Amino acid sequence: NAGVTQTPKFRVLKTGQSMTLLCAQDMNHEYMYWYRQDPGMGLRLIHYSVGEGTTAKGEVPDGYNVSRLKKQNFLLGLESAAPSQTSVYFCASSYSIGGPNSYEQYFGPGTRLTVT
Amino acid sequence: AQSVTQLDSQVPVFEEAPVELRCNYSSSVSVYLFWYVQYPNQGLQLLLKYLSGSTLVESINGFEAEFNKSQTSFHLRKPSVHISDTAEYFCAVSEGGGGSNYKLTFGKGTLLTVNP
Repeated sequence: NAGVTQTPKFRVLKTGQSMTLLCAQDMNHEYMYWYRQDPGMGLRLIHYSVGEGTTAKGEVPDGYNVSRLKKQNFLLGLESAAPSQTSVYFCASSYSIGGPNSYEQYFGPGTRLTVT
Repeated sequence: AQSVTQLDSQVPVFEEAPVELRCNYSSSVSVYLFWYVQYPNQGLQLLLKYLSGSTLVESINGFEAEFNKSQTSFHLRKPSVHISDTAEYFCAVSEGGGGSNYKLTFGKGTLLTVNP
């Protein structure tokens, strides 16, 4: 049982390049989330999904897109990277409301992205 | 909208000393409260949570937190810390009772450094 995994662990991009971060979970969770973590800012929600085929905007969605084509995967895309997107990105997942431990989010190990 | 304030960005203590990490929240509805811990270069792990019932909740490694509704606080305490408790601690809140209660709002974090 791997839990939540993220690919890649590190990436350096030049301004204007694009990339996709992959999050996968093997716990059959309904809900998945993408956060960014910046020094002194805590974690801020970028986008989230409450089920396969559905996505919604979080607190800081600009410059990012997401897709949830399969229940176990949640992709975060940067179409044209900017230095302001230099951050550590965390994916998380949780059960739907009413299920066991439905308020606990399980986090991946993070992706450190640098945009130069 | 809900918000979380962690009053101290850094807390240095000596090993075996007691520690308190402060967390206050604001919300117009009932809330669920969480403390997450992040060890260096890792993702976040749930430390403890308050959903309902007893206002004092405990973790398996000796931390406890008390929900105080009148003071809108959820401070984290440990009577005697170890070197291995060195980590960043995040307080988080979600709105209970339905709606978007699966989304978490995080505080900015408190870095606990335990010195020998």
